[in-house]
Amino acid sequence: EIVLTQSPDTLSLSPGERATLSCRASQSLSSNFLAWYQQKPGQAPRLLIYRASTRATGIPDRFSGSGSGTDFTLTISRLEPEDFAVYFCQSFAGSSEFTFGGGTKVDLK
Amino acid sequence: QVQLQESGPGLVTPSETLSLTCSVSGDSIKSHCWGWIRQPPGKRLEWMAYIYHSGTVNYNPSLMSRVALSIDPSKMQFSLTLRSVTAADSAIYYCVRVGPPDYYYPYFFDSWGQGAPVTVSS
Repeated sequence: EIVLTQSPDTLSLSPGERATLSCRASQSLSSNFLAWYQQKPGQAPRLLIYRASTRATGIPDRFSGSGSGTDFTLTISRLEPEDFAVYFCQSFAGSSEFTFGGGTKVDLK
Repeated sequence: QVQLQESGPGLVTPSETLSLTCSVSGDSIKSHCWGWIRQPPGKRLEWMAYIYHSGTVNYNPSLMSRVALSIDPSKMQFSLTLRSVTAADSAIYYCVRVGPPDYYYPYFFDSWGQGAPVTVSS
């Protein structure tokens, strides 16, 4: 079973700053099946990125994903006030194996 | 724009069966797979299962013995049944659309319901 480790647990930044979030998989992910989600308090997660680097429909281009194999990164180029939230990564490793990371909280410095 | 809405009881007695239904609007239920993910308080999101419009289901092996999914395309609904619940099954339950469309093994969750909080308690 794949384990996803996200770091840091919390990232304290100001609006306009760059956010860099990490997700490390315990095994290499084939075809870069790694997705990123944003979750705000009291809301469902929202898909941001899939296949490591493809933005989902309607996602602003300040969100970008990169990486391959076991190391993946979500970058928010310039934080907007609405970007302060928790971010999760998720892997897919076969028809019956989806795994989520523990999350990184991006909060206001 | 697709919308998903969970419905079902918010309180279930230990050892009983949890049943939730998800109503889909704004999309053809035949275009995607549909699934369930839960989020226990303070714990990671956990994928439970997803179902094709044909009725074929892929289950999380850790829950396979207790979970069942069904789908009713004519009603644009799909449902979750979780048997023999314990306090550890208390969570927010989300119904989700699994993408991409028309993919044999879809690999991301691109639409979510608002979530149904369920507490298991006597």
